[in-house]
Amino acid sequence: QVQLQQWGAGLLKPSETLSLTCAVYGGSFSDYSWSWIRQTPGKGLEWIGEVLHSGTTNYNPSLKSRVSISVDTSKNQFSLNLSSVTAADTAVYYCARRPIRYFDFRFEDWGQGTLVTVSS
Amino acid sequence: DIQMTQSPSSLSASVGDRVTITCRASQSINSYLNWYQQKPGKAPKLLIFDASTLQSGVPSRFSGSGSGTDFTLTISSLQPEDFATYYCQQSYTTPTFGQGTKLEIK
Repeated sequence: QVQLQQWGAGLLKPSETLSLTCAVYGGSFSDYSWSWIRQTPGKGLEWIGEVLHSGTTNYNPSLKSRVSISVDTSKNQFSLNLSSVTAADTAVYYCARRPIRYFDFRFEDWGQGTLVTVSS
Repeated sequence: DIQMTQSPSSLSASVGDRVTITCRASQSINSYLNWYQQKPGKAPKLLIFDASTLQSGVPSRFSGSGSGTDFTLTISSLQPEDFATYYCQQSYTTPTFGQGTKLEIK
């Protein structure tokens, strides 16, 4: 039974960098790709990007210029950095995993979510 | 981006009812369509992938159908725990989600 546990700063000022980390407990780390997804009342659910065990990344083009996702395989953790945040980045951020043996993005397991608020 | 449009946005129904939620893609996505259920304060839960395949552990009263641009999620007999918000998500290209359908108790 896999568990994704996430943490990070919940309150940021405009122009700061959002940083979140997700730790994976149980299951195989290398058989999955690891994503960040955010949810706002206005825009709904938005996929931010993913990282594979190898460190290969894939980002949503709409956020690509500000996003960096990295992986620490020694700790079974992956992290999100989102630079130059504005109020529009206020959201609940989720980590999630999808099996890489399939072509499609089916998010089978999710973290508990972290509310990040951007306010001056 | 492929736009996903769900209808209705909200729906009132009673325990035991059969309900159908529709999801339309702005272009063909073959069968690369997933459905999720989300309850307040919780992460989404995968119900159906590949348009019609039930995720392990999901009750058989949930079913999905469709291909191309038009898809449906059907709950054959609503149970109290099914009142939640449902989202479709395409995985043909960069993943995008529908805006959600809130299923409420009548």
